Amino acid sequence: AQSVTQLDSHVSVSEGTPVLLRCNYSSSYSPSLFWYVQHPNKGLQLLLKYTSAATLVKGINGFEAEFKKSETSFHLTKPSAHMSDAAEYFCVVSDRDYKLSFGAGTTVTVRA
Amino acid sequence: NAGVTQTPKFQVLKTGQSMTLQCAQDMNHEYMSWYRQDPGMGLRLIHYSVGAGITDQGEVPNGYNVSRSTTEDFPLRLLSAAPSQTSVYFCASSYSSTGVSNYGYTFGSGTRLTVV
Repeated sequence: AQSVTQLDSHVSVSEGTPVLLRCNYSSSYSPSLFWYVQHPNKGLQLLLKYTSAATLVKGINGFEAEFKKSETSFHLTKPSAHMSDAAEYFCVVSDRDYKLSFGAGTTVTVRA
Repeated sequence: NAGVTQTPKFQVLKTGQSMTLQCAQDMNHEYMSWYRQDPGMGLRLIHYSVGAGITDQGEVPNGYNVSRSTTEDFPLRLLSAAPSQTSVYFCASSYSSTGVSNYGYTFGSGTRLTVV
């Protein structure tokens, strides 16, 4: 069985400061891990994915995530938040190719 | 533009009514799926299809039917709408059911359904 826990339901940061979104997963197999972003009233957009290659994964818009097997974590970071980063972020795990399990989501607010 | 198209974008139903949410993709994707999104619960899989003529249940299938007669279309039918089905519904597709980890998913923009 696979599951995802996003440790923060809401994160608030000031523009220009770092962003950290925390994600822990459980999986019976070697998982694939994703981060998706959803802007208000929009669909989901893939930010980045880990598929057993490099453990540090770079995505779009300056985001990156590090896969740590020993900690079963896949935290998402960005060095400097922008107002356009205000959105909801989902950590997703798949240990069977066509079944995804979503975390509950983390809402990011960016203060000017 | 190539992608996943969902219609309608908004819908209000009365309890007991039936309706079909449409999903179409023009990318020749093998795999298609339906999710519902509820506050604080992320997205939960309703039904999925690994190819034309093949469908299977996901995590929350009760009250929904699907069919896949063509590669392009994957409609979701609500048989008798209930207030508990008030949600945002997303259709997603992937190039290959055996390669989601490489190809990722493409999501539609969603259908916001309210059942009163």
